Amino acid sequence: DTAVSQTPKYLVTQMGNDKSIKCEQNLGHDTMYWYKQDSKKFLKIMFSYNNKELIINETVPNRFSPKSPDKAHLNLHINSLELGDSAVYFCASSQGPRSNTEAFFGQGTRLTVV
Amino acid sequence: AQSVTQLDSQVPVFEEAPVELRCNYSSSVSVYLFWYVQYPNQGLQLLLKYLSGSTLVKGINGFEAEFNKSQTSFHLRKPSVHISDTAEYFCAVSDLTGGFKTIFGAGTRLFVKA
Repeated sequence: DTAVSQTPKYLVTQMGNDKSIKCEQNLGHDTMYWYKQDSKKFLKIMFSYNNKELIINETVPNRFSPKSPDKAHLNLHINSLELGDSAVYFCASSQGPRSNTEAFFGQGTRLTVV
Repeated sequence: AQSVTQLDSQVPVFEEAPVELRCNYSSSVSVYLFWYVQYPNQGLQLLLKYLSGSTLVKGINGFEAEFNKSQTSFHLRKPSVHISDTAEYFCAVSDLTGGFKTIFGAGTRLFVKA
């Protein structure tokens, strides 16, 4: 049973399109995250939710909108995709938002914008 | 605000040789420190973490790290590497002020040669 699962694994789309990435965790965790990993492997946090409430919202274009329908799910919707959005997007979860907790990562979604 | 520097972007090493991956951090407050590993086409998984107590921390797969407060370092070591250790390794830091963010370093690619 996969602990943190993301769909799709690969996503190729044209500039200007709108796309969504879904994430689900079955660990019973309260906190979920979206990270972006660029081509140089640099990993940067985008958003975090704790019990469906947004607690971290980094400097991310407002074309990116997270949605957490319940604490086991955190989806990422991206409007008007741009070439620079090409990256691997990782969903993660942790028991709580405290800084001493370990994060469990999904396998990533490789987004390619052409 | 805290930051993390991984001093080597790539470390090539022969199988069964020892390895050290270097990590330095900066923070104005006390921190928690983590090492994560990312195998090809996978998400990150925790190798080990330092929260408090003994400065020598043992993790999975024979890895260990030593927290050095005076040098603000948290270097990762393994006495004898295997081909299967080839992966990207990320050092991460979060602070004790109750903030929710974990900051990741840029990663070190460990390449184990036969």
